[in-house]
Formats: sequence, structure tokens, C-alpha cells
Amino acid sequence: QLVLTQSPSASASLGASVRLTCTLSSGHSNYAIAWHQQQPEKGPRFLMNLNSDGSHSKGDGIPDRFSGSSSGAERYLTISSLQSEDEADYYCQTWGTGIQVFGGGTKLTVL
Amino acid sequence: QVQLVESGGGLVKPGGSLRLSCAASGFTFSDYYMNWIRLAPGKGLEWLSYISSRGGNIYYADSVKGRFTISRDNAQNSLYLQMNSLTAEDTAVYYCARAISGAYSALDYWGQGTLVTVSS
Repeated sequence: QLVLTQSPSASASLGASVRLTCTLSSGHSNYAIAWHQQQPEKGPRFLMNLNSDGSHSKGDGIPDRFSGSSSGAERYLTISSLQSEDEADYYCQTWGTGIQVFGGGTKLTVL
Repeated sequence: QVQLVESGGGLVKPGGSLRLSCAASGFTFSDYYMNWIRLAPGKGLEWLSYISSRGGNIYYADSVKGRFTISRDNAQNSLYLQMNSLTAEDTAVYYCARAISGAYSALDYWGQGTLVTVSS
């Protein structure tokens, strides 16, 4: 079964960096994923498509502070030079035959 | 620029029905697969359904299969979600989203959402 696992919460200080993790279920370690950001009271925003080799393509207008990387079944989103507006929920997403799958989301708090 | 605008949400009684719409602009709507996703209070994003560019391929999540129907009108650049037999568990903000390239791809543009509240 295709499942994405995310930690429920993360925190980091203003100006620092943070790495969020999304883990693919067993047997699916070669899957690509996407990262999305959802700020309070807004619709989700596509950040990037991230492949198993770590290559990624970002959405329109996504700052260079956002980057992606991969290792085995883990997919990472790194946000550097954290700003207050980065405080949001972050979801990973992947796809299979006849389905789209979302991780449970990580709530990022900027201290 | 790509824009997706949902409408049709509101308050409905348990067992009732509602039809959501998603108006698309800024791209060739008929070239893209489209999806419906929801965000229930205190929960994460849940994918509900997608429809292929011409409507011939449709899939649903188990949670809504048999109750919800996705459709599209490419001439009107519009996506729809007919929701029947609604329960309190269907209370959520409903989003439409575009798939980058076909069924096996990321969702690259989202609407702002429309709120559906199921309550007596």
C-alpha cells in the first residue's frame, strides 16, 4: 500500500534552516513526490516536484530558499533563512494507479 | 495566469446533496487532468477524485465512491463535484487542483477552496 509518512510538527528559529522529511512506504522508494505549502486560511501552494535521484523542479515563483533532496525512501524539503511567512503546514504528495496520496502533513512553527 | 476558483459550498443537512464547481482560467483546461481534494477540520489533505482531460478516465477515493460524482465541461472550462448522502464527516474545505501531466503527476495549481458544512 502506497503511504507517505510525515512528522506532525517541526520548529526552527527565524533565519535558521529546517529540513522536513517525507517517507515512502516499503516497495515504493523509487517514487517521485511533490511538496506543497498551506499557509493559514489559504489554499495549498505547489512548491516542487522531487524525484528519487534528488532532482527537482519548483513551482512558479518559489524562492531559492526552498530546496529538495532524496535518500532511499526519504524525501526532504529544506527551507533556509526561515521567514515568518514560512510558518505553515507542509504536505508531501505522490501518485499511483488510480490514486493520489498525501502525507499527514507537518506543521512548521517559526520561533 | 492560472486561476482556479471553487464555488457552491455552504451549509447542508445530513443526507443532503450539494454540487461544487471549479472555474478554470489562464490555461487550456481541456489539456489537463483535474482533481478534487478536501481538508477537514483538524485533519490533513485528503484526495477525493480525478478526471482525465476528456473525462474518459475517472477515479474516486474509497471514502466517497458511490456518493460523489466528478465531471467536467471543457467548453465551459469548468470542473464539478456532485456530492450526495452527505454526513458530518464530509464537513471540510474542498479544493480543485490541476495535475501537471496526466494521472501520474504532481498537482501544480490549487484553488482557494469552498467550505462545506454538514449539520442539522
